[in-house]
Amino acid sequence: GAVVSQHPSWVICKSGTSVKIECRSLDFQATTMFWYRQFPKQSLMLMATSNEGSKATYEQGVEKDKFLINHASLTLSTLTVTSAHPEDSSFYICSAPANTGTQYFGPGTRLL
Amino acid sequence: AQSVTQPDIHITVSEGASLELRCNYSYGATPYLFWYVQSPGQGLQLLLKYFSGDTLVQGIKGFEAEFKRSQSSFNLRKPSVHWSDAAEYFCAHRGSTLGRLYFGRGTQLTVWP
Repeated sequence: GAVVSQHPSWVICKSGTSVKIECRSLDFQATTMFWYRQFPKQSLMLMATSNEGSKATYEQGVEKDKFLINHASLTLSTLTVTSAHPEDSSFYICSAPANTGTQYFGPGTRLL
Repeated sequence: AQSVTQPDIHITVSEGASLELRCNYSYGATPYLFWYVQSPGQGLQLLLKYFSGDTLVQGIKGFEAEFKRSQSSFNLRKPSVHWSDAAEYFCAHRGSTLGRLYFGRGTQLTVWP
């Protein structure tokens, strides 16, 4: 199947600093990518839809200025967590739908 | 509203026993349904999917699922569970917006030796 990568796989940052997470579709192009957040023992919560060439669409309750999304190309989307604080600690997962309609997920990024 | 329900939070089975994980969806049109598996600290791996056609679909690792429109269900089955199957299983369906998935809360599978 198609491959989606994420970098870094884990990151520890100081409060108040920003962290950038990259999501790449390695063998297919994706005009849309999705960013999810997952708390321990819980399901995935959609944060935003990343659109190549246009602004991201955020889910209700997700702060746009806190979680900056940039879809730089057809194979790359980035999520920047600005001024990170302990409550932002979580597992962040991206996904991208292939032309077949199947959505492929990255391996996730653990933010501490 | 579109939603996916996984009634069982946690299931425990013995190795070699059969397995069925339940999933129900609410969506008026023909749903696009998926089962994913997640090991601790990992991303999601696609087990199988249903878009149309034969309602019994085969997936990887010996899993299968059956789409039953009358019951709005898409239950995952495996005839003989292996210890390596212990993981979190998520049922999902794709909504009207291309690619956006609606997830169930997940079912944690524990396998006893």
